[in-house]
Amino acid sequence: KNQVEQSPQSLIILEGKNCTLQCNYTVSPFSNLRWYKQDTGRGPVSLTIMTFSENTKSNGRYTATLDADTKQSSLHITASQLSDSASYICVVSLNSGTYKYIFGTGTRLKVLA
Amino acid sequence: NAGVTQTPKFRVLKTGQSMTLLCAQDMNHEYMYWYRQDPGMGLRLIHYSVGEGTTAKGEVPDGYNVSRLKKQNFLLGLESAAPSQTSVYFCATRLAGGPEETQYFGPGTRLLVL
Repeated sequence: KNQVEQSPQSLIILEGKNCTLQCNYTVSPFSNLRWYKQDTGRGPVSLTIMTFSENTKSNGRYTATLDADTKQSSLHITASQLSDSASYICVVSLNSGTYKYIFGTGTRLKVLA
Repeated sequence: NAGVTQTPKFRVLKTGQSMTLLCAQDMNHEYMYWYRQDPGMGLRLIHYSVGEGTTAKGEVPDGYNVSRLKKQNFLLGLESAAPSQTSVYFCATRLAGGPEETQYFGPGTRLLVL
Protein backbone atom coordinates (compact mmCIF):
# COMPACT_ATOMS: atom_id res chain seq x y z
CA LYS A 1 0.00 0.00 0.00
CA ASN A 2 1.33 3.43 -0.92
CA GLN A 3 1.84 5.47 2.22
CA VAL A 4 3.51 8.66 3.40
CA GLU A 5 4.11 9.07 7.11
CA GLN A 6 5.31 12.24 8.78
CA SER A 7 6.75 12.95 12.17
CA PRO A 8 6.35 14.57 14.52
CA GLN A 9 2.65 15.39 14.30
CA SER A 10 3.30 18.72 15.93
CA LEU A 11 6.27 20.73 17.07
CA ILE A 12 6.79 23.90 19.08
CA ILE A 13 10.07 25.80 18.87
CA LEU A 14 11.38 29.23 19.82
CA GLU A 15 12.01 31.85 17.20
CA GLY A 16 15.53 31.65 15.83
CA LYS A 17 15.94 27.93 16.52
CA ASN A 18 16.38 25.25 13.88
CA CYS A 19 14.15 22.22 13.41
CA THR A 20 13.88 19.12 11.26
CA LEU A 21 10.72 17.44 10.05
CA GLN A 22 10.66 13.83 8.88
CA CYS A 23 8.88 12.01 6.08
CA ASN A 24 8.98 8.26 5.42
CA TYR A 25 7.33 6.81 2.38
CA THR A 26 6.46 3.49 0.83
CA VAL A 27 5.42 4.53 -2.65
CA SER A 28 6.04 2.74 -5.91
CA PRO A 29 6.80 3.61 -8.61
CA PHE A 30 8.40 6.73 -7.16
CA SER A 31 8.71 9.86 -9.28
CA ASN A 32 9.39 12.79 -6.99
CA LEU A 33 8.87 14.13 -3.49
CA ARG A 34 7.64 17.58 -2.60
CA TRP A 35 7.34 19.52 0.57
CA TYR A 36 4.43 21.93 0.87
CA LYS A 37 3.78 24.67 3.39
CA GLN A 38 0.19 25.23 4.41
CA ASP A 39 -0.65 28.32 6.41
CA THR A 40 -3.77 28.17 8.55
CA GLY A 41 -6.85 28.72 6.41
CA ARG A 42 -4.90 28.63 3.16
CA GLY A 43 -4.06 26.10 0.48
CA PRO A 44 -0.70 24.29 0.36
CA VAL A 45 2.19 26.01 -1.42
CA SER A 46 5.12 24.08 -2.89
CA LEU A 47 8.50 24.62 -1.18
CA THR A 48 10.79 22.08 -2.83
CA ILE A 49 10.73 19.14 -5.22
CA MET A 50 13.29 16.32 -5.45
CA THR A 51 13.52 13.52 -7.94
CA PHE A 52 15.08 10.12 -7.38
CA SER A 53 18.57 11.33 -8.28
CA GLU A 54 18.57 14.43 -6.09
CA ASN A 55 19.45 14.19 -2.42
CA THR A 56 19.19 17.83 -1.35
CA LYS A 57 17.32 20.94 -2.40
CA SER A 58 17.23 24.36 -0.77
CA ASN A 59 14.73 27.20 -0.84
CA GLY A 60 15.97 30.01 1.34
CA ARG A 61 15.96 28.84 4.94
CA TYR A 62 14.31 25.55 3.93
CA THR A 63 16.51 22.59 3.01
CA ALA A 64 15.04 19.26 2.00
CA THR A 65 16.96 16.02 1.80
CA LEU A 66 16.05 12.73 0.21
CA ASP A 67 17.47 9.27 0.80
CA ALA A 68 15.94 7.08 -1.89
CA ASP A 69 17.53 3.95 -0.45
CA THR A 70 15.87 4.26 2.95
CA LYS A 71 12.84 6.09 1.49
CA GLN A 72 13.18 8.95 3.90
CA SER A 73 13.09 12.70 3.47
CA SER A 74 13.60 15.55 5.88
CA LEU A 75 12.84 19.25 5.83
CA HIS A 76 15.24 21.39 7.81
CA ILE A 77 14.25 24.92 8.75
CA THR A 78 17.07 27.23 9.76
CA ALA A 79 16.72 30.26 12.02
CA SER A 80 12.99 29.89 12.35
CA GLN A 81 10.68 32.88 12.12
CA LEU A 82 7.16 33.44 13.41
CA SER A 83 5.94 33.24 9.81
CA ASP A 84 7.17 29.64 9.63
CA SER A 85 4.25 28.64 11.83
CA ALA A 86 2.26 26.39 9.52
CA SER A 87 1.65 22.78 8.56
CA TYR A 88 4.28 21.13 6.40
CA ILE A 89 3.09 18.39 4.10
CA CYS A 90 5.20 15.76 2.38
CA VAL A 91 3.80 14.58 -0.96
CA VAL A 92 5.10 11.79 -3.14
CA SER A 93 4.21 11.53 -6.83
CA LEU A 94 3.93 8.19 -8.54
CA ASN A 95 5.59 7.71 -11.88
CA SER A 96 2.37 6.69 -13.54
CA GLY A 97 -0.94 8.29 -14.44
CA THR A 98 -1.87 11.93 -14.27
CA TYR A 99 -3.16 12.30 -10.74
CA LYS A 100 -1.27 10.03 -8.43
CA TYR A 101 -0.11 12.01 -5.45
CA ILE A 102 0.20 10.48 -2.00
CA PHE A 103 -0.12 13.09 0.75
CA GLY A 104 1.24 12.83 4.25
CA THR A 105 -0.84 14.04 7.18
CA GLY A 106 1.53 16.90 7.85
CA THR A 107 3.55 18.30 10.74
CA ARG A 108 2.08 21.31 12.49
CA LEU A 109 4.86 23.72 13.46
CA LYS A 110 4.39 26.53 15.94
CA VAL A 111 7.16 29.11 16.32
CA LEU A 112 7.00 31.13 19.52
CA ALA A 113 8.53 34.56 20.13
CA ASN B 1 -3.75 37.39 -12.15
CA ALA B 2 -5.75 35.70 -9.39
CA GLY B 3 -4.32 32.17 -9.77
CA VAL B 4 -6.78 29.65 -8.32
CA THR B 5 -9.93 30.92 -6.63
CA GLN B 6 -12.69 29.02 -4.86
CA THR B 7 -16.27 30.01 -4.19
CA PRO B 8 -17.71 30.07 -1.57
CA LYS B 9 -15.16 30.34 1.24
CA PHE B 10 -17.51 28.90 3.84
CA ARG B 11 -20.91 27.25 3.79
CA VAL B 12 -23.27 25.58 6.22
CA LEU B 13 -25.70 23.02 4.84
CA LYS B 14 -28.42 20.89 6.32
CA THR B 15 -28.39 17.16 5.64
CA GLY B 16 -29.97 16.48 2.27
CA GLN B 17 -29.37 19.91 0.78
CA SER B 18 -27.37 20.35 -2.38
CA MET B 19 -24.68 22.79 -3.37
CA THR B 20 -21.99 23.46 -5.94
CA LEU B 21 -18.43 24.52 -5.23
CA LEU B 22 -16.69 26.50 -7.94
CA CYS B 23 -13.00 26.44 -8.75
CA ALA B 24 -11.72 29.00 -11.24
CA GLN B 25 -8.20 29.43 -12.60
CA ASP B 26 -6.58 31.95 -14.89
CA MET B 27 -3.31 30.10 -15.45
CA ASN B 28 -4.49 28.16 -18.50
CA HIS B 29 -3.71 24.87 -16.75
CA GLU B 30 -5.00 21.69 -18.30
CA TYR B 31 -5.36 19.56 -15.18
CA MET B 32 -7.67 20.36 -12.30
CA TYR B 33 -8.34 18.44 -9.09
CA TRP B 34 -10.75 18.44 -6.16
CA TYR B 35 -9.44 17.27 -2.78
CA ARG B 36 -10.89 17.10 0.69
CA GLN B 37 -8.83 17.62 3.82
CA ASP B 38 -9.94 16.13 7.12
CA PRO B 39 -8.23 16.28 10.52
CA GLY B 40 -5.53 13.66 10.92
CA MET B 41 -5.66 12.64 7.27
CA GLY B 42 -3.76 13.62 4.19
CA LEU B 43 -5.51 15.31 1.31
CA ARG B 44 -7.68 12.83 -0.54
CA LEU B 45 -8.56 13.11 -4.20
CA ILE B 46 -12.26 13.27 -5.02
CA HIS B 47 -12.33 13.83 -8.78
CA TYR B 48 -9.99 15.26 -11.35
CA SER B 49 -9.98 16.50 -14.93
CA VAL B 50 -7.27 16.42 -17.56
CA GLY B 51 -9.03 18.80 -19.90
CA GLU B 52 -12.21 20.57 -20.86
CA GLY B 53 -15.11 18.15 -21.03
CA THR B 54 -13.28 15.29 -19.30
CA THR B 55 -13.53 14.14 -15.69
CA ALA B 56 -12.48 11.06 -13.77
CA LYS B 57 -12.96 9.58 -10.31
CA GLY B 58 -10.33 9.79 -7.66
CA GLU B 59 -9.93 8.06 -4.34
CA VAL B 60 -13.17 9.15 -2.62
CA PRO B 61 -15.74 10.07 -5.31
CA ASP B 62 -18.94 8.77 -3.70
CA GLY B 63 -21.53 11.48 -3.04
CA TYR B 64 -19.87 13.98 -5.37
CA ASN B 65 -20.21 14.91 -9.02
CA VAL B 66 -18.08 17.22 -11.14
CA SER B 67 -18.20 19.06 -14.41
CA ARG B 68 -15.66 20.89 -16.51
CA LEU B 69 -17.54 22.65 -19.28
CA LYS B 70 -14.91 25.37 -19.59
CA LYS B 71 -11.16 24.95 -19.27
CA GLN B 72 -10.89 27.55 -16.54
CA ASN B 73 -13.67 26.21 -14.29
CA PHE B 74 -14.10 22.97 -12.36
CA LEU B 75 -17.33 22.49 -10.42
CA LEU B 76 -17.85 20.08 -7.53
CA GLY B 77 -21.44 19.19 -6.72
CA LEU B 78 -23.01 17.63 -3.66
CA GLU B 79 -26.47 16.39 -4.57
CA SER B 80 -27.59 15.37 -1.09
CA ALA B 81 -25.17 16.52 1.59
CA ALA B 82 -24.33 14.26 4.52
CA PRO B 83 -22.53 15.08 7.79
CA SER B 84 -19.62 12.89 6.60
CA GLN B 85 -19.01 15.48 3.89
CA THR B 86 -18.11 18.10 6.47
CA SER B 87 -14.58 18.98 5.43
CA VAL B 88 -12.32 21.56 3.85
CA TYR B 89 -12.31 21.26 0.07
CA PHE B 90 -9.32 22.30 -2.00
CA CYS B 91 -9.07 22.74 -5.71
CA ALA B 92 -5.70 22.36 -7.41
CA THR B 93 -4.46 22.92 -10.94
CA ARG B 94 -1.33 22.10 -12.90
CA LEU B 95 0.05 22.08 -16.37
CA ALA B 96 -0.12 18.91 -18.40
CA GLY B 97 3.16 17.04 -18.65
CA GLY B 98 5.14 14.92 -16.29
CA PRO B 99 4.72 14.42 -12.56
CA GLU B 100 7.33 17.11 -11.93
CA GLU B 101 4.74 19.78 -12.71
CA THR B 102 3.66 21.74 -9.64
CA GLN B 103 0.13 21.65 -8.32
CA TYR B 104 -1.24 25.06 -7.37
CA PHE B 105 -3.92 25.05 -4.71
CA GLY B 106 -6.84 27.36 -4.11
CA PRO B 107 -7.58 28.84 -0.66
CA GLY B 108 -10.16 26.19 0.20
CA THR B 109 -13.88 26.01 0.95
CA ARG B 110 -14.92 25.08 4.45
CA LEU B 111 -18.16 23.10 4.46
CA LEU B 112 -20.19 22.19 7.51
CA VAL B 113 -23.10 19.77 7.10
CA LEU B 114 -25.50 19.64 10.02
